[in-house]
Amino acid sequence: DAGVIQSPRHEVTEMGQEVTLRCKPISGHDYLFWYRQTMMRGLELLIYFNNNVPIDDSGMPEDRFSAKMPNASFSTLKIQPSEPRDSAVYFCASSPLGLQGSNEQFFGPGTRLTVL
Amino acid sequence: GEDVEQSLFLSVREGDSSVINCTYTDSSSTYLYWYKQEPGAGLQLLTYIFSNMDMKQDQRLTVLLNKKDKHLSLRIADTQTGDSAIYFCAGGYQKVTFGTGTKLQVIP
Repeated sequence: DAGVIQSPRHEVTEMGQEVTLRCKPISGHDYLFWYRQTMMRGLELLIYFNNNVPIDDSGMPEDRFSAKMPNASFSTLKIQPSEPRDSAVYFCASSPLGLQGSNEQFFGPGTRLTVL
Repeated sequence: GEDVEQSLFLSVREGDSSVINCTYTDSSSTYLYWYKQEPGAGLQLLTYIFSNMDMKQDQRLTVLLNKKDKHLSLRIADTQTGDSAIYFCAGGYQKVTFGTGTKLQVIP
């Protein structure tokens, strides 16, 4: 398996523009997580899905952020409109949530977003 | 929810042992994890420990868990320059909370 795939790897956009980040989880993993990493706030969980259904979106900072998982192999995180404070590295991770209950998460390489 | 704290920085000489410490608040966390992040990459799971264990060893890595003090540590034996990275402690079940990360610098 190629691991978790994220695209684009880098995104530079101007304030007010819509940004869409994409993620392909590892096949067979039932859980998908979106994180944001910044120097100031560290690694923050934004939202996670189980079997394509959003379970907890309490970490989504504002209504400008939305996430979807239309099928088991694809998820998007959208920011509309984007603001400079959204600049961060966004990670997608997937997990099989093993039978013993361990949540071993497999992370993608991240998307570095810069909003000017 | 879980709250996880770590020291921010650790510097060791190549060949020495490194010990990275972590404290957590949620005693119901079934599993506690250690992840490694190299520059420009995502996090990678190094090891994890089940909450009913005190110790787990995996090659150069040793995890110690003190449930009474809610303290977790990761010991890296014979630290190499390739171990330079940020190490994250994490805990929780479906919703995993990550610590702030400890940047390990290995001096040749």
